[in-house]
Amino acid sequence: GAVVSQHPSWVICKSGTSVKIECRSLDFQATTMFWYRQFPKQSLMLMATSNEGSKATYEQGVEKDKFLINHASLTLSTLTVTSAHPEDSSFYICSARSGRTPKDTQYFGPGTRLTVL
Amino acid sequence: GQNIDQPTEMTATEGAIVQINCTYQTSGFNGLFWYQQHAGEAPTFLSYNVLDGLEEKGRFSSFLSRSKGYSYLLLKELQMKDSSSYLCAAMDSNYQLIWGAGTKLIIKP
Repeated sequence: GAVVSQHPSWVICKSGTSVKIECRSLDFQATTMFWYRQFPKQSLMLMATSNEGSKATYEQGVEKDKFLINHASLTLSTLTVTSAHPEDSSFYICSARSGRTPKDTQYFGPGTRLTVL
Repeated sequence: GQNIDQPTEMTATEGAIVQINCTYQTSGFNGLFWYQQHAGEAPTFLSYNVLDGLEEKGRFSSFLSRSKGYSYLLLKELQMKDSSSYLCAAMDSNYQLIWGAGTKLIIKP
């Protein structure tokens, strides 16, 4: 199956700093990438959808100036958490899809666990 | 509004069969997905149903009834490694996945 990598796997940072998370599709071109956040024992929460070469579409309640998303190529998307605070501590997961039709399954990266002190 | 319901937790015995149910309400429908998610890991794809009926894939089967807004995941010959969370997700008319909160499946010897 398709492989999606995510880096870093985990990160600990001080409050007020910015953290960048990379998501790469290794063996396919991802026209669409998704960024999710998951708190313990809760469902995946979609933060934003990004299409290569265009601005990301953010879900209601997600601050676009705080969570900067760049989908610069068909294989790379980045999420930058700016001025991170303890409440931003969570499990961030990206997924990638090669098309828009249902048969194009979303493949997930391994996730990044962010802890803000 | 859009909503996915599935049980929070289920317990089953090694070697037995378990059925995890999911009901959904979405704006439009483009299929129903099941994912497995081990603790601290990202989800992995298990199955996709868009037509009514049962899709069998080894020990795992998935069923869909579009008229009832209902799906289930059936796991046979349960193994200890099947202990995990199982996520139900429905794809809406915008091709967005609407996720359930997941069902934690506990397998006992």
